Amino acid sequence: GNSVTQMEGPVTLSEEAFLTINCTYTATGYPSLFWYVQYPGEGLQLLLKATKADDKGSNKGFEATYRKETTSFHLEKGSVQVSDSAVYFCALTAPSSGSARQLTFGSGTQLTVLP
Amino acid sequence: GAGVSQTPSNKVTEKGKYVELRCDPISGHTALYWYRQSLGQGPEFLIYFQGTGAADDSGLPNDRFFAVRPEGSVSTLKIQRTERGDSAVYLCASSPPRVDPWENTQYFGPGTRLTVL
Repeated sequence: GNSVTQMEGPVTLSEEAFLTINCTYTATGYPSLFWYVQYPGEGLQLLLKATKADDKGSNKGFEATYRKETTSFHLEKGSVQVSDSAVYFCALTAPSSGSARQLTFGSGTQLTVLP
Repeated sequence: GAGVSQTPSNKVTEKGKYVELRCDPISGHTALYWYRQSLGQGPEFLIYFQGTGAADDSGLPNDRFFAVRPEGSVSTLKIQRTERGDSAVYLCASSPPRVDPWENTQYFGPGTRLTVL
């Protein structure tokens, strides 16, 4: 079946530090890949996505590149801010999900950015 | 425009009781999903609607769980004879009609936190 493995948290960084959150996946066929973010007290929000190999998704200074050869979709940001503190989820949808194309999520990585 | 809304935001019930959780998707979104998120975990798929019919209910954990979407818009997730293990945040998501079959961006509501005592 499909699965997503995320870097264990929690992650604590100082403001302006470089961020990497690792994500690898297992899927049948060619999945679409997503990063969702959950800010404190809020619902899940789509952060960025990539639908085919070598695509780069980007938003709000975050980037992730769809690497088929390493089955990875690592999230990066060059300089984090306190406002980036949240839980980050890597997710995929795959043809093997059937018509539903439901999302399969990783377990989430808690990021805390200190001033 | 309005996002996905879910009511109630919190629900506390006793073991054995029946509960209903409501989801109001984004207007025009034909697909609707229910997920369950346990503490410290990512959301897990429960059921998918395309229009009024449940096109995939493979994620429902057992027959105590049931969901409907009678008019193709609002959906209700129903849980009978609740158990303490049902305590979780129940998330609803909707997505627009697909132009690209490989594309499926889902928009999530804020969730209903269910606590079974």
